[in-house]
Amino acid sequence: EVQLVESGGGLVQPGGSLRLSCAASGFTFSSYDMHWVRQATGKGLEWVSAIGTAGDPYYPGSVKGRFTISRENAKNSLYLQMNSLRAGDTAVYYCARGTYSYMDVWGKGTTVTVSS
Amino acid sequence: QSALTQPASVSGSPGQSITISCTGTSSDVGSYNLVSWYQQHPGKAPKLMIYEVSKRPSGVSNRFSGSKSGNTASLTISGLQAEDEADYYCCSYAGSSRWVFGGGTKLTVL
Repeated sequence: EVQLVESGGGLVQPGGSLRLSCAASGFTFSSYDMHWVRQATGKGLEWVSAIGTAGDPYYPGSVKGRFTISRENAKNSLYLQMNSLRAGDTAVYYCARGTYSYMDVWGKGTTVTVSS
Repeated sequence: QSALTQPASVSGSPGQSITISCTGTSSDVGSYNLVSWYQQHPGKAPKLMIYEVSKRPSGVSNRFSGSKSGNTASLTISGLQAEDEADYYCCSYAGSSRWVFGGGTKLTVL
């Protein structure tokens, strides 16, 4: 079964850091681009970052310089290092398998709460 | 990069058809045939319903269809069923390895 399982969410103070993980199974992880997408409570989806099969990272302006996406193909794992966290980063974070055309497999998400 | 514009809500009766629009710019929707649509039920992860404007993944009902004209993409659901009630999001590739989502549309089946 193709599956993505996120972990690492939690409560962190403003300015703090958190590292999210996404464990992939059931497919050849190294052959796929991967994404992180977040959703604040009651709000829409927001693309957070992507990483190509060669490890090339991409970010929107809202997180560039604060978030770092990485992957470890030997462990079938995707990561998101989040630094200088703000209240506005509070959301459910999903990892998703994707291409330029679509994101076809999603995890169930992990919740990040930034609050003092 | 601004979010794509979707209506906040649409509604329809069982058996009817509805269309959800997704308006972007010439830098995203208008430039690429890389629009996808996602269905999200409350508390669940998004599910891919349409990709590359009008293609359906295996297992998605043919009641779901997509199209695009200029800077606006559309998702049409025909033969509405109660289980279609959900939030729907469009997404477009925006160049330079960036993606942008729409604000989401809540579909209510009356």
